[in-house]
Amino acid sequence: GAVVSQHPSRVICKSGTSVKIECRSLDFQATTMFWYRQFPKQSLMLMATSNEGSKATYEQGVEKDKFLINHASLTLSTLTVTSAHPEDSSFYICSANDRGRGHIGRSLETQYFGPGTRLLVL
Amino acid sequence: TQLLEQSPQFLSIQEGENLTVYCNSSSVFSSLQWYRQEPGEGPVLLVTVVTGGEVKKLKRLTFQFGDARKDSSLHITAAQPGDTGLYLCAGASTGFQKLVFGTGTRLLVSP
Repeated sequence: GAVVSQHPSRVICKSGTSVKIECRSLDFQATTMFWYRQFPKQSLMLMATSNEGSKATYEQGVEKDKFLINHASLTLSTLTVTSAHPEDSSFYICSANDRGRGHIGRSLETQYFGPGTRLLVL
Repeated sequence: TQLLEQSPQFLSIQEGENLTVYCNSSSVFSSLQWYRQEPGEGPVLLVTVVTGGEVKKLKRLTFQFGDARKDSSLHITAAQPGDTGLYLCAGASTGFQKLVFGTGTRLLVSP
């Protein structure tokens, strides 16, 4: 249980184009999803917190007009990198909180991570 | 700003050796999690500790949460090449959904 998927797993795009990354919770409902960015050999950096049915909360220094987040349902959040540039090339990872709706043994604060999406902007 | 410092940043050892990774902060956390991440993949949860002084064992891995819930350690006994990866600690504060991730420890276990 507690599986999170991401699509695509890797994407190459030209500078100036937009790229959409999907994050889905497959066997549980996630009222909250998180988007992280990870540069090579570094830790995860939280970009934004995505709440179902409301606007995302962005971390300081993250441009909300550049990284558009939509959380339209309890199992899907999307991150769109608009007008991508080479410096946006990175590994993007989502995670979802399983709020423990009737599931025994799951912590309220446990996040389950997707497999990540490798973005390369040429 | 909450920060979690991990040490060492990088560790290269031979198969069979023991090692300890530390995760330290000046902040108190309601729970702390340890993840292992392999290249090109998302982090995989290893354990969650919630009680000060708590010790949890997962086969050859032993996790401890500090009494004051500000620090944690991960000890691996008889390391194997399959233990190679990036180890991340992450702390959660009561009432907040966000995790604060540590700086990471990259482990390389050679045969």
